[in-house]
Amino acid sequence: SQQGEEDPQALSIQEGENATMNCSYKTSINNLQWYRQNSGRGLVHLILIRSNEREKHSGRLRVTLDTSKKSSSLLITASRAADTASYFCATAPFNNNDMRFGAGTRLTVKP
Amino acid sequence: GAVVSQHPSWVICKSGTSVKIECRSLDFQATTMFWYRQFPKQSLMLMATSNEGSKATYEQGVEKDKFLINHASLTLSTLTVTSAHPEDSSFYICSARERSSGRPSTDTQYFGPGTRLTVL
Repeated sequence: SQQGEEDPQALSIQEGENATMNCSYKTSINNLQWYRQNSGRGLVHLILIRSNEREKHSGRLRVTLDTSKKSSSLLITASRAADTASYFCATAPFNNNDMRFGAGTRLTVKP
Repeated sequence: GAVVSQHPSWVICKSGTSVKIECRSLDFQATTMFWYRQFPKQSLMLMATSNEGSKATYEQGVEKDKFLINHASLTLSTLTVTSAHPEDSSFYICSARERSSGRPSTDTQYFGPGTRLTVL
């Protein structure tokens, strides 16, 4: 079963704007990961944030984690048309490393 | 980085036939592999967890007799969809977790590119 939910379900922005996606989950986690998926393709791992971390950066990506609220956000700055994809968060619980995926956010970046 | 391959990348079959999908970790040993299914415009749903040399653990609602999983080696897991029906048409994705070997263990699962199954 899915672990969490993401919002928005769909997001459409102009190139150059920032895109923020949120993810909420239900149980305690070991880590939370964000993935990207182009239509009909496999997953690309973007970033992993551990439960004892609050923020991580990777290039134009910024991820935050609030374990008290059981939520995470992914910020893509200065978006590009090539960022158009679906973005999923996935949580890995303690003592059980099978991941559960959120419903995903479909991001469209218009040139 | 670690690479996971899947074969075939797509397959079309007739209803009632069986289809085997392979998942290989190419440059690392995977003690655990996971099989997911993804319907169009939906998220990935975990089907089963496969540990090398032991029986797979299936998620609730997934028929183990229909989705046969074999994890015979540290680099290969197979998923066989038996007596496939049109409702089994989906995108099947495997992932593999690297075996800790003295290097810092990783929590990252490496995903294969997926196999698109279409059952006519």
